[in-house]
Amino acid sequence: ETGVTQSPTHLIKTRGQQVTLRCSSQSGHNTVSWYQQALGQGPQFIFQYYREEENGRGNFPPRFSGLQFPNYSSELNVNALELDDSALYLCASRPDRALGNEQFFGPGTRLTVL
Amino acid sequence: LAKTTQPISMDSYEGQEVNITCSHNNIATNDYITWYQQFPSQGPRFIIQGYKTKVTNEVASLFIPADRKSSTLSLPRVSLSDTAVYYCLVGGYNKLIFGAGTRLAVHP
Repeated sequence: ETGVTQSPTHLIKTRGQQVTLRCSSQSGHNTVSWYQQALGQGPQFIFQYYREEENGRGNFPPRFSGLQFPNYSSELNVNALELDDSALYLCASRPDRALGNEQFFGPGTRLTVL
Repeated sequence: LAKTTQPISMDSYEGQEVNITCSHNNIATNDYITWYQQFPSQGPRFIIQGYKTKVTNEVASLFIPADRKSSTLSLPRVSLSDTAVYYCLVGGYNKLIFGAGTRLAVHP
């Protein structure tokens, strides 16, 4: 049990729509990261938040945005959905005192864009 | 950010020891080496992490030579349930980079 939950589990949208994915991490985990994982590939880093501020971003366009809230929850928003946005979206939280790259991942949200 | 290279796939049999080697020639002085395991349609799960020499926990061992340019994840006596993708990562506190990973298939 990692303590990281994500909702919804599955989601189907159509091209051009907007989507919001949610993540809830453990108390004391002030760092949260979001990843996109296409079928058969490794997770690709989207961005990271620490105490409600973005402090790292991967090679994703601005239509991918996020929010982190004081209650250890966070959101990933994607505007103007494209077919290639179909993927498993993962969030991961990191304990404040963690060394290195230890993160706790949620089960993911499977997004299908038609 | 350090780039990692690991085999695309490996096969093994139940009860055998499996060693997966990862090369990271450009590892920075402060970088840790971290391994994750991922089952289909699940999030990656942290296995083990080290900085130098050898680290062992209840599921795996991690061997790191003195130059830290490579590392080896050792899984003792694998079972069918160890069939998964294994990722090696280094550095990148605020930009964790996953490669394609190593697909391990354990056969009866």
